[in-house]
Amino acid sequence: GAGVSQTPSNKVTEKGKYVELRCDPISGHTALYWYRQSLGQGPEFLIYFQGTGAADDSGLPNDRFFAVRPEGSVSTLKIQRTERGDSAVYLCASSPQGLNEQFFGPGTRLTVL
Amino acid sequence: TQLLEQSPQFLSIQEGENLTVYCNSSSVFSSLQWYRQEPGEGPVLLVTVVTGGEVKKLKRLTFQFGDARKDSSLHITAAQPGDTGLYLCAGAWSSNTGKLIFGQGTTLQVKP
Repeated sequence: GAGVSQTPSNKVTEKGKYVELRCDPISGHTALYWYRQSLGQGPEFLIYFQGTGAADDSGLPNDRFFAVRPEGSVSTLKIQRTERGDSAVYLCASSPQGLNEQFFGPGTRLTVL
Repeated sequence: TQLLEQSPQFLSIQEGENLTVYCNSSSVFSSLQWYRQEPGEGPVLLVTVVTGGEVKKLKRLTFQFGDARKDSSLHITAAQPGDTGLYLCAGAWSSNTGKLIFGQGTTLQVKP
């Protein structure tokens, strides 16, 4: 079956621009997570959705970062006024209701010049 | 401050050798997971350990959760080149779905 998909796979932008990163979770998975992974590091939690609502957004670094999941399926991570320090791989994961196992997508590599 | 400390960070060994990767924390976790990640891909779950002292085996991989649920280890017997990759431990504070706290990872290279 189809796994978690993320688009685009690569995004290059200029400092100060706005970007949107999309995540399509596994069908039927109610939980969706966004993580950020810098080179040589483990993933860092950003935000977690249960259905349409953000159950935990404690990992968002500042108010330039925002994520939505309006219909409880696809999610979009939005970054305003990008900075060079935002360059990283942004990973999305989903999991079924009540289970801890998270299934990860391949990530979007964001490069801010 | 890293909540989950993994060691070693890098490991380069010859095919057939054994190795152990450690994951340590001062926090108690509800469960701990081990993932393997290859370049350009997302992490893939290997195992979840839930009970203190629990040992799980997956072919040549043995995972152990510490009695106090603060630490874990991954032991690989007779490593093969196909085991090469980034190994990540991740702790969960909730017994249901919730955020994972990842260690910084151990990069393993197994040379033929």
